[in-house]
Amino acid sequence: SAVISQKPSRDICQRGTSLTIQCQVDSQVTMMFWYRQQPGQSLTLIATANQGSEATYESGFVIDKFPISRPNLTFSTLTVSNMSPEDSSIYLCSARRDRLGNTIYFGEGSWLTVV
Amino acid sequence: DAKTTQPPSMDCAEGRAANLPCNHSTISGNEYVYWYRQIHSQGPQYIIHGLKNNETNEMASLIITEDRKSSTLILPHATLRDTAVYYCIVRSDSNYQLIWGAGTKLIIKP
Repeated sequence: SAVISQKPSRDICQRGTSLTIQCQVDSQVTMMFWYRQQPGQSLTLIATANQGSEATYESGFVIDKFPISRPNLTFSTLTVSNMSPEDSSIYLCSARRDRLGNTIYFGEGSWLTVV
Repeated sequence: DAKTTQPPSMDCAEGRAANLPCNHSTISGNEYVYWYRQIHSQGPQYIIHGLKNNETNEMASLIITEDRKSSTLILPHATLRDTAVYYCIVRSDSNYQLIWGAGTKLIIKP
């Protein structure tokens, strides 16, 4: 299985601040995705991180609030900007492992609590 | 919206086979069925996926009905560590985005 590492794994953030989450994959992948999982809920796709171009955001998510970078084929970042308590969630990075069929793997998630 | 329907919860005795059903009556011909599980506080773990044929790996078996409108995930010998929320997801062949439903909370009892 692919190894997807996320940092930080947990953080407690002050209201109004921003936090950048890093996602590192152990091999080159073409497709990377960012998901949010609010407490007690299922996963919701935030955006597709495209290498060399702007991310593609899902309905309800905007670049100003969740800027994403994808500088190369193994790395992506998600920033949660101007945080409020409603942003307290698990943020998950996932990637499609190229050349290994259609399997999509996930990182362990970044637990953010906004106070 | 998720294209799958799963029971919200199920119990299974330790050592027995756990059979988790999933309905996907609107599935299209080029859409795959994926199963993931999420153990509390962890990221989703890939289990298995299939298109038409039944599939088996070291973790589980996936049985897809001939009309592809439903499937069953089978954990052959459930252990306490299999307690988790299990998600059945339908994914388009051209789109690797996963649309998640509520899943089934499987509780393995000693």
